[in-house]
Amino acid sequence: KNQVEQSPQSLIILEGKNCTLQCNYTVSPFSNLRWYKQDTGRGPVSLTIMTFSENTKSNGRYTATLDADTKQSSLHITASQLSDSASYICVVNDYKLSFGAGTTVTVRA
Amino acid sequence: SQTIHQWPATLVQPVGSPLSLECTVEGTSNPNLYWYRQAAGRGLQLLFYSVGIGQISSEVPQNLSASRPQDRQFILSSKKLLLSDSGFYLCAWETGEGETQYFGPGTRLLVL
Repeated sequence: KNQVEQSPQSLIILEGKNCTLQCNYTVSPFSNLRWYKQDTGRGPVSLTIMTFSENTKSNGRYTATLDADTKQSSLHITASQLSDSASYICVVNDYKLSFGAGTTVTVRA
Repeated sequence: SQTIHQWPATLVQPVGSPLSLECTVEGTSNPNLYWYRQAAGRGLQLLFYSVGIGQISSEVPQNLSASRPQDRQFILSSKKLLLSDSGFYLCAWETGEGETQYFGPGTRLLVL
């Protein structure tokens, strides 16, 4: 069983709308949790990295939250743009990276 | 600034043929280097990582091997490719454990 589960597997949203992606993990303890954005056919690019003690981290229109008690993280995209269409990957680092399978987001005009 | 290169970008190889994928990093010294494989619709799978020249750690048993002949060069190889080796191969670097990993553009390998 994967130690990092992401949901939904995919979603479609209209341009300008908000969306929230979920990441549940069983890795504990861990040093940091990361969110990456991966455009189709490209390498992942780091969006946020949060340590165990942080609750939220923003990068422009992307805001990641972390609840260490429930072992959940979310990535919120505000005012989505067509360029946000990509796969978003949650990664938990307990000195060995555990990758989620990703959520594929499609933004439509 | 730091950059990471991978080549080739795409590769089509017959079953049983050898493989050599190269990854180089510029603008940093003594990085930790990683090779990942990403199958369609699946998460990234760590294949190898290296903390220094000649130091290779393997995460999964397979017919692939890795080498680090120079500080900023990481090579993924195989003597005989299998159909199951098809996938998207990503190289990544970081300055140290716990730091952000930076990924290369990837190599798409199709074994026929």
